[in-house]
Amino acid sequence: GENVEQHPSTLSVQEGDSAVIKCTYSDSASNYFPWYKQELGKRPQLIIDIRSNVGEKKDQRIAVTLNKTAKHFSLHITETQPEDSAVYFCAASDSNYQLIWGAGTKLIIKP
Amino acid sequence: GAVVSQHPSRVICKSGTSVKIECRSLDFQATTMFWYRQFPKQSLMLMATSNEGSKATYEQGVEKDKFLINHASLTLSTLTVTSAHPEDSSFYICSASPRRAGRGEQYFGPGTRLTVT
Repeated sequence: GENVEQHPSTLSVQEGDSAVIKCTYSDSASNYFPWYKQELGKRPQLIIDIRSNVGEKKDQRIAVTLNKTAKHFSLHITETQPEDSAVYFCAASDSNYQLIWGAGTKLIIKP
Repeated sequence: GAVVSQHPSRVICKSGTSVKIECRSLDFQATTMFWYRQFPKQSLMLMATSNEGSKATYEQGVEKDKFLINHASLTLSTLTVTSAHPEDSSFYICSASPRRAGRGEQYFGPGTRLTVT
């Protein structure tokens, strides 16, 4: 079955700098890759997603890239702000809708 | 759009009692709903996948007789933790997937923090 690995587990960046979180997946049949942001004690919120027919997607300060050949995808946050501090999860799924989750990355934005 | 509610948000119960948690999709029809549990500082662990009108599919290691799931309509799924014990204390979150062919996004409820004393 699918296996998703996420790195790093913790990422600390200076406010204003960029943050990059990387995930790899094992199942070449996976075709949907969402990223979720979860603040402490709250629900995960979908922040961006990408499908396997696209290599890159951008939404303001957030972008996701997908390399199908290498089976990895990355989340890029530019001009980081204090409110970006949270745990970020990547996931992968096929047409069964079931998401396989990464272990999460705790992003800390230092003022 | 894509709002999912969950009730209750917090529950404290005594060991041996049962607790029901409701998950509703408020503005869309959800063919599929998912139930997760999340321990502190850990990722979400999928417990079961629930399709409207059919039996839930449980993940390995999840006792289906202990965690009863009912998905009676396209907007409501319930999780009942039967004979709860302290080790069942956790954050339970549901999610729902909109009924649109080819999509896969999940929208999450706010979660239920269960404490069993």
